[in-house]
Amino acid sequence: DSGVTQTPKHLITATGQRVTLRCSPRSGDLSVYWYQQSLDQGLQFLIQYYNGEERAKGNILERFSAQQFPDLHSELNLSSLELGDSALYFCASSGVEGYNEQFFGPGTRLTVL
Amino acid sequence: SQKIEQNSEALNIQEGKTATLTCNYTNYSPAYLQWYRQDPGRGPVFLLLIRENEKEKRKERLKVTFDTTLKQSLFHITASQPADSATYLCALGNYGQNFVFGPGTRLSVLP
Repeated sequence: DSGVTQTPKHLITATGQRVTLRCSPRSGDLSVYWYQQSLDQGLQFLIQYYNGEERAKGNILERFSAQQFPDLHSELNLSSLELGDSALYFCASSGVEGYNEQFFGPGTRLTVL
Repeated sequence: SQKIEQNSEALNIQEGKTATLTCNYTNYSPAYLQWYRQDPGRGPVFLLLIRENEKEKRKERLKVTFDTTLKQSLFHITASQPADSATYLCALGNYGQNFVFGPGTRLSVLP
């Protein structure tokens, strides 16, 4: 158990809908990262927050947005969902920015029908 | 653009042998490199980190080398066991920047 929690574990929705994925980092970790993993794409970095502030953006679509709240939990919002958004979404946390290891949550499996 | 390659998509070896996985990169000068293990449907788990000024790191049956001239890292699992079967990901990073993960190598250790 990494100490990172993600909810929900599974999510099935229809095209055009909007969903919110939630992540609680390990106790004391200030950095939260979001990744998307699909079968043909590998693990793709989406966005990073550090202590409430956006730190870096990766290949995140404009339809997607995220935020980190004062209690350090984070939410990833996915809107106008398309079939291609079906994937595993992982959240990871680390204590500091930079080279430290990242602790990954169990993931949320999103299926868009 | 940055590119990371991991030797083969899948690697099969016999139990007890040494598994060697390769991570090659181009258009990048990482300050450090990490290896993660990922089991199906689960999040990656950190294994080892090696910095650019380090040649080799060991942890129990695991060994990582990092050659910045060749732009390559080798990941070895000695005395491999069926429980070592998983996908192994390398990740490159620089201070103040985010990780870039490789596509992974699926290792199967056959009994």
